[in-house]
Amino acid sequence: NAGVMQNPRHLVRRRGQEARLRCSPMKGHSHVYWYRQLPEEGLKFMVYLQKENIIDESGMPKERFSAEFPKEGPSILRIQQVVRGDSAAYFCASSPGTAQETQYFGPGTRLLVL
Amino acid sequence: AQSVTQLDSHVSVSEGTPVLLRCNYSSSYSPSLFWYVQHPNKGLQLLLKYTSAATLVKGINGFEAEFKKSETSFHLTKPSAHMSDAAEYFCVVSGFQKLVFGTGTRLLVSP
Repeated sequence: NAGVMQNPRHLVRRRGQEARLRCSPMKGHSHVYWYRQLPEEGLKFMVYLQKENIIDESGMPKERFSAEFPKEGPSILRIQQVVRGDSAAYFCASSPGTAQETQYFGPGTRLLVL
Repeated sequence: AQSVTQLDSHVSVSEGTPVLLRCNYSSSYSPSLFWYVQHPNKGLQLLLKYTSAATLVKGINGFEAEFKKSETSFHLTKPSAHMSDAAEYFCVVSGFQKLVFGTGTRLLVSP
């Protein structure tokens, strides 16, 4: 049973470009979470999605960031017009159910904005 | 709201000596608590999880943690450190379908 998969593992973008980060949850998991880790900090929650629904986006910046989890295919975290401050590691996690369930993390995507 | 405080940003031990990583939590209800480990430039691996069953939780790689409600603590311990234990450790509380992370404790293990 493959774990949570994220790609790309590393992504370099210039300021103003778009970044698309992909996450495929573990088989049988229908809940996806995105977290951001800034250098030398812990992870901060961004968004929680189920298939075709955003359940909680309280941690998402109000502008330029969006997330989706379509009926088919991976979850996508999209950052438009990236700025240097967006440089971070972005981790995706998945769980089979809801509250109190263990979340299993992917290897992360390390975004560098030049 | 749920929160965790990791009391030490860095802990240094010698190989073969005990490890203690301290964590205090705040929660308005009976919490689920976790310890995750992150090796350099890697993802996060679950070490152990507490969900109101036994207060002493055993995890992988010889780690364990004890939930103490009276002290609101969930400290992580290991009897004997190994070089491969050098990593960043995060204490985490589950709050309304999202995880709340502590700021992390970097464990350094010297030969």
